[in-house]
Amino acid sequence: AQKVTQAQTEISVVEKEDVTLDCVYETRDTTYYLFWYKQPPSGELVFLIRRNSFDEQNEISGRYSWNFQKSTSSFNFTITASQVVDSAVYFCALSEEDSGYALNFGKGTSLLVTP
Amino acid sequence: DGGITQSPKYLFRKEGQNVTLSCEQNLNHDAMYWYRQDPGQGLRLIYYSQIVNDFQKGDIAEGYSVSREKKESFPLTVTSAQKNPTAFYLCASSIFVGFNEKLFFGSGTQLSVL
Repeated sequence: AQKVTQAQTEISVVEKEDVTLDCVYETRDTTYYLFWYKQPPSGELVFLIRRNSFDEQNEISGRYSWNFQKSTSSFNFTITASQVVDSAVYFCALSEEDSGYALNFGKGTSLLVTP
Repeated sequence: DGGITQSPKYLFRKEGQNVTLSCEQNLNHDAMYWYRQDPGQGLRLIYYSQIVNDFQKGDIAEGYSVSREKKESFPLTVTSAQKNPTAFYLCASSIFVGFNEKLFFGSGTQLSVL
């Protein structure tokens, strides 16, 4: 069963628009971690953020912000004032204490930002 | 600069042939991983290694083999038993294996079948 669902396969926006990438996860554990990674056209995944299940505070880092809501099992990612360089595939991932190390990745959302 | 180096960037395999993908890291990380990425899919874990001379199967280990003779190296062999090897392969490392550890990734190897 898919533990991480990224329902948006592809999103296309025009530069300077705000865009939100959705992530819904499923777990029975009380202790878990959520991650976002960015995969630019070059291929390597780049770590963006890690959030543990006990910290529901939203986080902002420059133009990026993350909204973690345990009540809806969601960990959404918003890019404000998008730029062409934001074009990439973005992956949400879940790591659960009971499964040891394993990272469960969603299928990714491909974001295209056009000038 | 510290990082993970994967080679080659592109690799072609003939039917019945074994091929080996290289992964080297100079981050002094104990843990290393191999993931497979298919178009429109998330990453799936093939193998991981917590320390030298130790490795464990991931979700899709069949048709693959690995070794971990040195801390910095974790090569992946795609054997002829892997009937659908065409995919993008990503190597990663972390300080150690832990469910809260962030991974550092290489730039990947695209494997195709001739």
